[in-house]
Amino acid sequence: NAGVTQTPKFQVLKTGQSMTLQCAQDMNHNSMYWYRQDPGMGLRLIYYSASEGTTDKGEVPNGYNVSRLNKREFSLRLESAAPSQTSVYFCASSEWQGANYGYTFGSGTRLTVV
Amino acid sequence: QKEVEQNSGPLSVPEGAIASLNCTYSDRGSQSFFWYRQYSGKSPELIMSIYSNGDKEDGRFTAQLNKASQYVSLLIRDSQPSDSATYLCAVKPSAAGNKLTFGGGTRVLVKP
Repeated sequence: NAGVTQTPKFQVLKTGQSMTLQCAQDMNHNSMYWYRQDPGMGLRLIYYSASEGTTDKGEVPNGYNVSRLNKREFSLRLESAAPSQTSVYFCASSEWQGANYGYTFGSGTRLTVV
Repeated sequence: QKEVEQNSGPLSVPEGAIASLNCTYSDRGSQSFFWYRQYSGKSPELIMSIYSNGDKEDGRFTAQLNKASQYVSLLIRDSQPSDSATYLCAVKPSAAGNKLTFGGGTRVLVKP
């Protein structure tokens, strides 16, 4: 009963380096999301995928790219990391289930760009 | 103006008292509202959802929604030290899609 699995949990990058954050869910949810969380700013949406094969920009997409590899997996790529991308990144998935709706979050990736 | 606004706190509450958290939102067409709890260093977890005007109770938690005033609140009765966390208000805007917009969160400290 894993839910949403994110890797890695921690990462330190040098400015200009690239990396991919991985996310996989085993709940058969159609929608998946990438958020970043910075102190005092809550969760801000980077990209989302309403269903397999579709992706859309969120509030803060600059500097990021995403791939919805299949229904289970949604990855986030930083092509050239910048210190402003130091943050905690959360992947989430969701599905409407009658009167109940909510995100299931992964455990997060704490990224530091130096 | 932020789409979803919360007082950042910290809201300091004595053990056993009622904690009252407030959230306002700007999209008048929003239909779905959620409260998440986030412990330090952990991911958010859903504690309440509310869709209709009025109150919704779940254990020690009560969510209150007033769409006319664009206001949603969370009451925590008989607050416990384990309730110390950041509480995030989330709103599903009226635009198509399932994505949520989150407020900045209110930090709650329950003192024994």
